[in-house]
Amino acid sequence: DVKVTQSSRYLVKRTGEKVFLECVQDMDHENMFWYRQDPGLGLRLIYFSYDVKMKEKGDIPEGYSVSREKKERFSLILESASTNQTSMYLCASSLGSGPSSTDTQYFGPGTRLTVL
Amino acid sequence: QQQVKQSPQSLIVQKGGISIINCAYENTAFDYFPWYQQFPGKGPALLIAIRPDVSEKKEGRFTISFNKSAKQFSLHIMDSQPGDSATYFCAASNSGGGADGLTFGKGTHLIIQP
Repeated sequence: DVKVTQSSRYLVKRTGEKVFLECVQDMDHENMFWYRQDPGLGLRLIYFSYDVKMKEKGDIPEGYSVSREKKERFSLILESASTNQTSMYLCASSLGSGPSSTDTQYFGPGTRLTVL
Repeated sequence: QQQVKQSPQSLIVQKGGISIINCAYENTAFDYFPWYQQFPGKGPALLIAIRPDVSEKKEGRFTISFNKSAKQFSLHIMDSQPGDSATYFCAASNSGGGADGLTFGKGTHLIIQP
């Protein structure tokens, strides 16, 4: 089975801190994604990557950056956390073969981030 | 601009009844329409998906109906069970290039009452 793991289930940070959210997949997937999930807003795509060292902005990239140094690992970075970034963050991966793949996305369990 | 509109936001159905969730899309380039199911404390998981070359796809108690001319698709859960209680997301994507990832609806919180 595909496994997508996220480094923390719960995280509490202070305004202005730099925050790293880590995601690892174990199925040699090409594509990886970061979403945030907020009540009433569904899932919104922050960034995605279809290859090592490649990244593309999603719908809401402002205030975030990403890093993909290795195929299995995709990190989401909040350079200076703000209270409006309090949310559930979901990582996903898909087999993929390019940016427009429609392969099944496999999600991690999420990281609930609270910024005080 | 919300490209995939999902309704209702919440739904309560009696055990054994039919649950129906509707989605409408705007982008005619979308050609892949999955539904994801999310239980509390878990990430979403693919439930069933359809492409526009068919009008219906059935997997067990779950059926997607697709209306290309109306740009609408819906999820039907037959003989709904308490274990189906979850949040359901419709989504859409374009396999032909351009936008990437999935565009999700806002979700439907489904409760099946015993």
